[in-house]
Amino acid sequence: DQQVKQNSPSLSVQEGRISILNCDYTNSMFDYFLWYKKYPAEGPTFLISISSIKDKNEDGRFTVFLNKSAKHLSLHIVPSQPGDSAVYFCAARDVYGGATNKLIFGTGTLLAVQP
Amino acid sequence: DVKVTQSSRYLVKRTGEKVFLECVQDMDHENMFWYRQDPGLGLRLIYFSYDVKMKEKGDIPEGYSVSREKKERFSLILESASTNQTSMYLCASRMLRGSQPQHFGDGTRLSIL
Repeated sequence: DQQVKQNSPSLSVQEGRISILNCDYTNSMFDYFLWYKKYPAEGPTFLISISSIKDKNEDGRFTVFLNKSAKHLSLHIVPSQPGDSAVYFCAARDVYGGATNKLIFGTGTLLAVQP
Repeated sequence: DVKVTQSSRYLVKRTGEKVFLECVQDMDHENMFWYRQDPGLGLRLIYFSYDVKMKEKGDIPEGYSVSREKKERFSLILESASTNQTSMYLCASRMLRGSQPQHFGDGTRLSIL
């Protein structure tokens, strides 16, 4: 059963516009959420995170929103740039995971930013 | 900056071979993880470790084992490689405490023929 879902396998956006990537989760015990960016033939790179006690976190062009009642997470990229073209994974950590610090990953969304 | 180094970027092996994938991190992290990434399936956890000689199964451990003899090194072993183990393998590490991200290596693209 997929606890973290990214229902859009791909997204295409024009350069300069906003990119919105979405993520849904089912486990209300998740306490920490992250977004990673992955280029082909490279490992995922950490982008931004948010704790479950917050509803928004911003870092430059990247903002993550958390709606706990809807169990929904979104990443906004404004303005989008061609270099943002990559696969984006959302991930979540279970508060009861303890020392394991396991993350549950979504299946990823391929973002293509058109010049 | 955290550095997670995987020994090979590309590897080609034959069915039935024993395969070793090595991962080293330089930040004294307690937690280390092995994932595989397949199209449409995201990252799936194979094994993880939170201390030297400690290991726990992830979501898809069948056909794999791991070794953590030193804190900085976490090895993934394919006991008898099969074609369905062709995949991108990713190693990650992080500190034990606090809300910190996992840091990933660049991955090993493994092909089993």
